[in-house]
Amino acid sequence: SQKIEQNSEALNIQEGKTATLTCNYTNYSPAYLQWYRQDPGRGPVFLLLIRENEKEKRKERLKVTFDTTLKQSLFHITASQPADSATYLCALPRRDDKIIFGKGTRLHILP
Amino acid sequence: DAGVIQSPRHEVTEMGQEVTLRCKPISGHDYLFWYRQTMMRGLELLIYFNNNVPIDDSGMPEDRFSAKMPNASFSTLKIQPSEPRDSAVYFCASSTYWGRNSPLHFGNGTRLTVT
Repeated sequence: SQKIEQNSEALNIQEGKTATLTCNYTNYSPAYLQWYRQDPGRGPVFLLLIRENEKEKRKERLKVTFDTTLKQSLFHITASQPADSATYLCALPRRDDKIIFGKGTRLHILP
Repeated sequence: DAGVIQSPRHEVTEMGQEVTLRCKPISGHDYLFWYRQTMMRGLELLIYFNNNVPIDDSGMPEDRFSAKMPNASFSTLKIQPSEPRDSAVYFCASSTYWGRNSPLHFGNGTRLTVT
C-alpha cells in the first residue's frame, strides 16, 4: 500500500536560513502532492499543491519540488522566520483518490 | 467565510459513555471528511461524504463508530461505547470536489480523552 515518509525528528534552522523538508513515498507516483502546515492545537492548513508534470512550484518564500523518479518532494522555506515554526505535512492521493498524510516534520526556526 | 467549525474543542469522558462530535463544513463544499490524528498513526481518514451521502467508511475502526450528515451544513461522528484507545484529535474537513487537486479545509479539531 502507498506509504509516506517524513522525517520524524524535529528540524532546527537558524532564522534567515533556508529550511528544507523531505517527503518520500513508496509504490506508485500520484498525480499530485500537497503540503500543509499545522500549528499546535489547530487543524492542518493547505499551503501548496504540485502536479506530477510540474518540477517546481513557488509561492512567496515557499518552494516545492516533485521528483517522480526519486519518489520524493522537497519543501523549502527561504529566509525563514520564527513564525514559520510549525509541523509540515505532506499529503497525496492513493489510487482510490483518498488523500493520505505523512506524520509531518516539526520545524523550529531559531531566532 | 468562517471556515470549518467543530464542537466541542475538548471532550473528556469515561469509558463506556457515548461521545458525539459535531462539524459544520464550509458552505458550498460538497465533500466532508472525518480524520483522526494520533502521534502513533498520524492523520487517518475515517469516512467521507459527498452531497450528504456516505461514500466510503472503510476507515471507521469499529462498529462503535458511526457518522451521519443529515444536511449540507452539519455532520456528526458518534462513538458508542467509547474506549480509552479512542483518545485522539478528531478533525473534520471539507472540500469543493474530490480528487483532482482539491485542497482540504480542516476545522481545529476535537481533542477527545477517554478515561
